[in-house]
Amino acid sequence: AQKVTQAQTEISVVEKEDVTLDCVYETRDTTYYLFWYKQPPSGELVFLIRRNSFDEQNEISGRYSWNFQKSTSSFNFTITASQVVDSAVYFCALSAISNFGNEKLTFGTGTRLTIIP
Amino acid sequence: DVKVTQSSRYLVKRTGEKVFLECVQDMDHENMFWYRQDPGLGLRLIYFSYDVKMKEKGDIPEGYSVSREKKERFSLILESASTNQTSMYLCASSDREEGNQPQHFGDGTRLSIL
Repeated sequence: AQKVTQAQTEISVVEKEDVTLDCVYETRDTTYYLFWYKQPPSGELVFLIRRNSFDEQNEISGRYSWNFQKSTSSFNFTITASQVVDSAVYFCALSAISNFGNEKLTFGTGTRLTIIP
Repeated sequence: DVKVTQSSRYLVKRTGEKVFLECVQDMDHENMFWYRQDPGLGLRLIYFSYDVKMKEKGDIPEGYSVSREKKERFSLILESASTNQTSMYLCASSDREEGNQPQHFGDGTRLSIL
């Protein structure tokens, strides 16, 4: 069975601080995908990143960066120089790789991030 | 851009009513999904569909059914609504052809059962 743990339920930081959201996963599969989604107050989940288990390179996109460590089963997300617009609930998710294109996602419980102006 | 549209943002119904939640996507995606989101529980998969008239149970299908008569439309049905089905419901779609693609979500329907 797959499991995703986001131990941080809520985080508050002052604007311009850096913040890291933790994600730990469990799976018996040797190949899988990891995802991060953002849910702003409007409610719609917005896709941020997808990472294949074969690719352990860290990724940076503007103020966002992701640290994938297979040895610790973690896929952490860092926001640098946080802004008020980053306030949202962030979800980490895991899927097994399927040849049929019918993979399902297992979501963590989410981390509510509040950026204080 | 992919557009997933859920018919209602807010819905209030009474216990015992039959409730329909509608979802339409405009990207010709084969895969469609229904989740419910509750505080502290994250998103839990109710049902999903890989193609027209196809459906598979997710993790919490009890009390729900679905219908997929057309590729673009996926309906979630609460046969006899109960108060423990008060929740946020999210629909999503993804491209099956390329596999393992991100799911695209609608804005959600906040359903209250009184």
